[in-house]
Amino acid sequence: EVQLLQSGGGLAQPGGSLRLSCAASGFIFRNYAMTWVRQAPGKGLEWVSAISGSGAHIYYSDSVEGRFTFSRDNSKNTVSLEMSSLRVDDTAVYYCAKNFEDGVATYDYWGQGTLVTVSS
Amino acid sequence: EIVLTQSPGTLSLSPGGRATLSCRASQTIRSSYLAWFQQKPGQAPRLLIYGASTRATGIPDRFSGTGSGTDFTLTISRLEPEDFAVYYCQQYGSSPITFGGGTKVEIK
Repeated sequence: EVQLLQSGGGLAQPGGSLRLSCAASGFIFRNYAMTWVRQAPGKGLEWVSAISGSGAHIYYSDSVEGRFTFSRDNSKNTVSLEMSSLRVDDTAVYYCAKNFEDGVATYDYWGQGTLVTVSS
Repeated sequence: EIVLTQSPGTLSLSPGGRATLSCRASQTIRSSYLAWFQQKPGQAPRLLIYGASTRATGIPDRFSGTGSGTDFTLTISRLEPEDFAVYYCQQYGSSPITFGGGTKVEIK
C-alpha cells in the first residue's frame, strides 16, 4: 500500500524558515518524481515544486523560486521542502504527492497535508 | 502559463442526478494531459481521471472525462452521496503545471 506521511510545518514569522518532510512507502521510491502542491485557506490548488526520481532535476514555481529548496534522499525514501524568507501569502496546507508515472506530472497518491502558517 | 477556467463555480444537484463540469484552457493542452481531482473537506485531493478520459485505479465508471484541445468535461452520471465535493482540473502538458479554480458540487 502506498503511503506518504508528512511532518513538519507549523507557525513561522514573516522572513522565517520552516522544513517539511514526507516519508514514502509502498512503491519503488527512486523511480518516481515527487511534487509539492499547496492550498491556501479556502482557495484552490497551486503547484509548488517537483523533483525527478534521481533528484537531478528540480523545478519551482515562480512564487517560491529562490526561497524554497526541494530535496530527496532515496536511501531513506524521503523528500523535504526547506522554506525560507517566508511570506504571509505562503500560508497554506502543503501536500506532497507522488507522480503518476515517469514523465507524467499528475499525482496518484497524496500525503495528508500539513499546515504552514506565516504570521507575526 | 495555461489558465484553466472551471464552470460553473457551484453546481446544486440531487442524489441520482447528472453532473456536467467544464474546464476550459487558455491554450491547447498538449497530448490531452488533463486530469480531474475530487477533494472533500479536510482531505487531500483524489485523482479521478488522467489523460482527459482514463479513469484512475478504483474510480467508479459513473465518472467519465471527455474533451481535447482547450475544452474538457467531467461527467458524473448518477450522483451518489459521497460525490458531493469540490472538483479540480489540472493540466500537466506545459510548464508551469496549473489547476483550475474548482467546481463545488453541492446537494440541492
